[in-house]
Amino acid sequence: AQKVTQAQTEISVVEKEDVTLDCVYETRDTTYYLFWYKQPPSGELVFLIRRNSFDEQNEISGRYSWNFQKSTSSFNFTITASQVVDSAVYFCALSETGGGNKLTFGTGTQLKVEL
Amino acid sequence: NAGVTQTPKFRVLKTGQSMTLLCAQDMNHEYMYWYRQDPGMGLRLIHYSVGEGTTAKGEVPDGYNVSRLKKQNFLLGLESAAPSQTSVYFCASSLRDRGSYGYTFGSGTRLTVV
Repeated sequence: AQKVTQAQTEISVVEKEDVTLDCVYETRDTTYYLFWYKQPPSGELVFLIRRNSFDEQNEISGRYSWNFQKSTSSFNFTITASQVVDSAVYFCALSETGGGNKLTFGTGTQLKVEL
Repeated sequence: NAGVTQTPKFRVLKTGQSMTLLCAQDMNHEYMYWYRQDPGMGLRLIHYSVGEGTTAKGEVPDGYNVSRLKKQNFLLGLESAAPSQTSVYFCASSLRDRGSYGYTFGSGTRLTVV
């Protein structure tokens, strides 16, 4: 069975600090997809990134960057120069191919960015 | 705007009452899902459907039933609500081939059972 572990329950940083959110996953599939979602205090789920298992290239989008390492089954998310608006719960998720493409979520990391 | 619409957005039920949550999508997605979100537990899959007329159990299906009579709608039913079903419920949909779009989520339904 697939599993996603986000060991950091809560992280607090001061604005402009860099912060990395960890994600470790388990799967038996060779083809799978990894996701990051942001859930701000308003409650909706905001899609951030999708990565397939064959693409290990790191990605940068503005202040956000993602480090995908199959060797360690990790898909970590870094926010550079954090801002108060980054305060949210962040979820890492894994989807295997077949079987309904079910999405398995980690338990989330609450990020608090303070002035 | 195209997307996933959940009805209602908020609801308070008394223990033992029944209700149905409606999820509607207008993107012609084949797959649909119901998740519940509880503090510290992330989102957990209740039931899902891979097409009209089909449903399957997810990780936490007990106490819920679902139906997908039309491709665009996925209903989640609580026959006899219990306080343990107090949660935020999210519906999602996806294409069979997830392509570049992944999953589309609704805005959630906050359900309180008293």
